Amino acid sequence: SAVISQKPSRDICQRGTSLTIQCQVDSQVTMMFWYRQQPGQSLTLIATANQGSEATYESGFVIDKFPISRPNLTFSTLTVSNMSPEDSSIYLCSVLRLRLNTEAFFGQGTRLTVV
Amino acid sequence: AQSVTQPDIHITVSEGASLELRCNYSYGATPYLFWYVQSPGQGLQLLLKYFSGDTLVQGIKGFEAEFKRSQSSFNLRKPSVHWSDAAEYFCAVGAGNAGGTSYGKLTFGQGTILTVHP
Repeated sequence: SAVISQKPSRDICQRGTSLTIQCQVDSQVTMMFWYRQQPGQSLTLIATANQGSEATYESGFVIDKFPISRPNLTFSTLTVSNMSPEDSSIYLCSVLRLRLNTEAFFGQGTRLTVV
Repeated sequence: AQSVTQPDIHITVSEGASLELRCNYSYGATPYLFWYVQSPGQGLQLLLKYFSGDTLVQGIKGFEAEFKRSQSSFNLRKPSVHWSDAAEYFCAVGAGNAGGTSYGKLTFGQGTILTVHP
């Protein structure tokens, strides 16, 4: 399995500010994804983080609100911009190693509270 | 677009009792199906997966699931529940025709919270 480290594990932020979440993997992975889990809700895919190019966003998510970077095969960041209380969620990084695994591995998540 | 429904938001069972968590999916082609478990403060852990072949799949921790195409279901079962099984369980579907991304771009159900009474 892949070992995934997400930082921070939790944070409380003021509305209008931005938070950058980091996802570090212990081995090179083919694909990296970011999910959001709103309180009492299921997980929703935000975007696929592409190495060296712009992320691919799912319907309802835009780059201005959730800019994503992936400078190499083991690291990605998700920024939650101009936060509002509705952004309070758990954000999870997920990785996939094609040709090695047929399952995605998930980080422990970042619990974000916006006040 | 694919979708997943977990009809039971919360299930309570006694330790040692059998368990079945329901999952129904909607997808036009062959789905890739997964069950994940999330314990408090933990990430998601894969219990089992189905891609093709034998419709009864075995997973970790004594769990199994049966794929029934005619019912669009992928229910999770365990013959005897342990207190440590208390957690939230998610059924997920990946697009079967999306190549490798099928395993990673997942649509999740709402989750079922399992409480285990001693």
